[in-house]
Amino acid sequence: TQLLEQSPQFLSIQEGENLTVYCNSSSVFSSLQWYRQEPGEGPVLLVTVVTGGEVKKLKRLTFQFGDARKDSSLHITAAQPGDTGLYLCAGNGSGNTGKLIFGQGTTLQVKP
Amino acid sequence: KAGVTQTPRYLIKTRGQQVTLSCSPISGHRSVSWYQQTPGQGLQFLFEYFSETQRNKGNFPGRFSGRQFSNSRSEMNVSTLELGDSALYLCASSQMGGHYNEQFFGPGTRLTVL
Repeated sequence: TQLLEQSPQFLSIQEGENLTVYCNSSSVFSSLQWYRQEPGEGPVLLVTVVTGGEVKKLKRLTFQFGDARKDSSLHITAAQPGDTGLYLCAGNGSGNTGKLIFGQGTTLQVKP
Repeated sequence: KAGVTQTPRYLIKTRGQQVTLSCSPISGHRSVSWYQQTPGQGLQFLFEYFSETQRNKGNFPGRFSGRQFSNSRSEMNVSTLELGDSALYLCASSQMGGHYNEQFFGPGTRLTVL
C-alpha cells in the first residue's frame, strides 16, 4: 500500500517568516502534485512535479521532487496571510490513472 | 474553460436513506475520480471512471457506487447511509493522454447524515 506522510500537520507563523512542508514515502511515485484548499472548497492544483530532482517555483513558493521520486517539499518564502490554508501533497503511483494518494495535509496559519 | 462543477453543494439526509451526487468534468476531460474527505481520514480515493468504465476502486464498501455517462458526466450513489458517511465528497477530472495525470477538483458536496 502506498502512503504519503506529510509534516508538519499544523503550522502557525507570523507574516514574513519562511516555512517548509515535507511529504515523504517509501514508495516511488510517477508524479506528485501539490494542492491548496480553502475551508468548504475543493483543492486547487498548485504544481505537478514529474522528474526526480525537479525544482519548480511559483512566486514565493518553491517545490522540489526528491531524486528518487519518493519525497517532495514545499518551501514558502516570506509568508503572507493570504497563504493561509490546507496544503496537500498527492502522488500518482499507478501510472497514468486517476487514483491519487494524498498526504494528511498541513494546515498553515499566517498571522499578520 | 469552465471548471469542474458538482451538485448539490450541500445535502442533509438521515440514516438509511440513499443519496446521488453529480459531477460535470472540465470540457474534454474523460476521467472522473471521486474522493471522500473527512477530518480524521483526510482525502481518500473512492473510484475512477474513464470512458464509462470503472477503472480503479478504493477500499470502500459496496454501498458506494458510481457511473459515468457518454458525455463524461459522473454520478456517485451512497445507499443505506450511515452517520460515518458525513463528509465532503470531491470530484476531480483529468484529461489523460499524457505521461502523468493532473487532476482538477470541483468545490465538493457537503453531505451531512443525521
